[in-house]
Amino acid sequence: GDSVTQMEGPVTLSEEAFLTINCTYTATGYPSLFWYVQYPGEGLQLLLKATKADDKGSNKGFEATYRKETTSFHLEKGSVQVSDSAVYFCALSGNYGNNRLAFGKGNQVVVIP
Amino acid sequence: GAVVSQHPSRVICKSGTSVKIECRSLDFQATTMFWYRQFPKQSLMLMATSNEGSKATYEQGVEKDKFLINHASLTLSTLTVTSAHPEDSSFYICSARETSGGKPNEQFFGPGTRLTVL
Repeated sequence: GDSVTQMEGPVTLSEEAFLTINCTYTATGYPSLFWYVQYPGEGLQLLLKATKADDKGSNKGFEATYRKETTSFHLEKGSVQVSDSAVYFCALSGNYGNNRLAFGKGNQVVVIP
Repeated sequence: GAVVSQHPSRVICKSGTSVKIECRSLDFQATTMFWYRQFPKQSLMLMATSNEGSKATYEQGVEKDKFLINHASLTLSTLTVTSAHPEDSSFYICSARETSGGKPNEQFFGPGTRLTVL
């Protein structure tokens, strides 16, 4: 079935550092890909998305490019802020059935001033 | 933008009691709503898919008699945790998919409900 794999472990970095969170997926057909962010004690917010190969999703300085050849959707931000500290989830939705989302395990990002 | 609310945001109950959680789409109609459970520092686990006017579809391993789902209208789905036990303590999150006019692959999430069973 469809699945999403995120890099292991939390990510701790200093303010203004470059952030990369790796995400790879396994799916049939052409899924849509998403990054969600969860701030402490809150639900998920859609950060960005891409619906077809080579699409680049971007929002709030974050970017991710839908790479079909490597089945990846890595999240990047050039200069993080303390306010970016949160848990980031990569997810995919197949283009069939009821569009269920499959989530990765999430990565805790901690930005230190 | 599409907004989904949940009520209550936090609930504490005694073991053996039942708790109802509401999920509402505030500015759009949702044929389909999803219920997730999230354990501390873990990902979301899909519990069930709720379709307006029909029975919910439960994921493998989720007890349908334990977690009752009702989707009576295009803007409201409820999850009732029956005879709650401490192991049911968790963060429950719902999401809704817009019926028409929206992008079919996009789900909008509620803020979650923290359930603590004593």
